[in-house]
Amino acid sequence: RKEVEQDPGPFNVPEGATVAFNCTYSNSASQSFFWYRQDCRKEPKLLMSVYSSGNEDGRFTAQLNRASQYISLLIRDSKLSDSATYLCVVDGNTDKLIFGTGTRLQVFP
Amino acid sequence: NAGVMQNPRHLVRRRGQEARLRCSPMKGHSHVYWYRQLPEEGLKFMVYLQKENIIDESGMPKERFSAEFPKEGPSILRIQQVVRGDSAAYFCASSPRGQGGSYEQYFGPGTRLTVT
Repeated sequence: RKEVEQDPGPFNVPEGATVAFNCTYSNSASQSFFWYRQDCRKEPKLLMSVYSSGNEDGRFTAQLNRASQYISLLIRDSKLSDSATYLCVVDGNTDKLIFGTGTRLQVFP
Repeated sequence: NAGVMQNPRHLVRRRGQEARLRCSPMKGHSHVYWYRQLPEEGLKFMVYLQKENIIDESGMPKERFSAEFPKEGPSILRIQQVVRGDSAAYFCASSPRGQGGSYEQYFGPGTRLTVT
C-alpha cells in the first residue's frame, strides 16, 4: 500500500462548480497534514494545513478523519486559476513529508 | 523576506559529469529538505539536513549522491557521475521547525537537471 494515495484525475469541472478531492494515508502515527498546490513545471506551494477539527480558508475547506486515515479538500465556486495539481501531504518519520502523486484539476469556462 | 532560493534553475550535464545543486533557505529557517520529482511522478523525499548535520538521508541513493548544509553558505546536493536516469527536477524546501515555529515547508523554484 502506498504511504499516501490520491486519485490522479483529471477532474474536469466548469467554472463555479464544487469539487472534492480525497486522500488516504497509511501511517497512523502521522501528526501533520497539508494540501499543496503545484502548477505545471513549478514548485509546490502550501495551500493549507489540515487540522483535526477541519478548517476553511475562503473557498477551500479541508477535513481530516484520523480513524479512517482520510483527508479531503473541497473547493467551492471553482475558478479557472484553480487549475493545477493538488498534492496531499503527510508527515513521515523525522519531519520529512510524504507526498501523494497528486490529483489534477482542470477548470473550464 | 526572500523565499527559498535555488540555483542553477536549469543544469545540463553529460553522462559521467558531476552536478552541484545549491539551496539557500528562507531567512530564519535552519532546516533544509531535498526532494526529487521525475517527469509525470510525485515528489520523493531525499534528505533532511540541519546546519552541519544530516538528520535523515533515507531517500538518498546509496551511491553517487551526497548532501551537505555547512555552517556558512547554502546547502549543496551533489551528484557524481550522472546518468540519464538522474534527469529530474530537484526541489529544496526549508522550515523553521525546531524553535517553536511552524512546521510547514516552503519550496524553492527547483533545479531542472538534464543529463545528455
